[in-house]
Amino acid sequence: AQSVTQLGSHVSVSEGALVLLRCNYSSSVPPYLFWYVQYPNQGLQLLLKYTSAATLVKGINGFEAEFKKSETSFHLTKPSAHMSDAAEYFCAVTSGGGADGLTFGKGTHLIIQP
Amino acid sequence: DAGVIQSPRHEVTEMGQEVTLRCKPISGHDYLFWYRQTMMRGLELLIYFNNNVPIDDSGMPEDRFSAKMPNASFSTLKIQPSEPRDSAVYFCASTLAGSSGNTIYFGEGSWLTVV
Repeated sequence: AQSVTQLGSHVSVSEGALVLLRCNYSSSVPPYLFWYVQYPNQGLQLLLKYTSAATLVKGINGFEAEFKKSETSFHLTKPSAHMSDAAEYFCAVTSGGGADGLTFGKGTHLIIQP
Repeated sequence: DAGVIQSPRHEVTEMGQEVTLRCKPISGHDYLFWYRQTMMRGLELLIYFNNNVPIDDSGMPEDRFSAKMPNASFSTLKIQPSEPRDSAVYFCASTLAGSSGNTIYFGEGSWLTVV
């Protein structure tokens, strides 16, 4: 079985500040890990993914995430927050290479303060 | 590519009515997934297909829910009869196994309200 825990259902940062969204996973086999973003009333858009290549993964919109096996973590970061980053962010894991679907965390709502 | 296409985008229906949600996956993809998103339960995998064959439907909440994939370019999720607790956003997603780390691409969702 696999699972994802996202710490903090809501995270608030000031515009220009560092964004850090936390994700810990549990998987009995080497995982594939994903971060998706969901803007209000829209579907899910892939931000980035880890597929056992480089442990530091760069995604769209200036986001990146680092896979740390020892900590079973895949935290999402962005050096400087923009107002347009306000959205819901989901961490997800699959062990079947995606073929058996994704297990999602509960999501983190990112709020950007002007 | 057009991406995963879902219809309708929004549906409001009365309790007891039949609801049919439709999905066209990305051309060439061999896996199709149906997810449900609610505030209480987050994103849940309902069922997925491989080459049009249902592989795992353990996430389907009850017998009122059914899903079909008659061909590689079309799938339906049906709720009959619908109940207010079925109100949610239903996402269809697809992927091609073995490609690009198996990224799963999502549609824009069907926003269902049962009154």
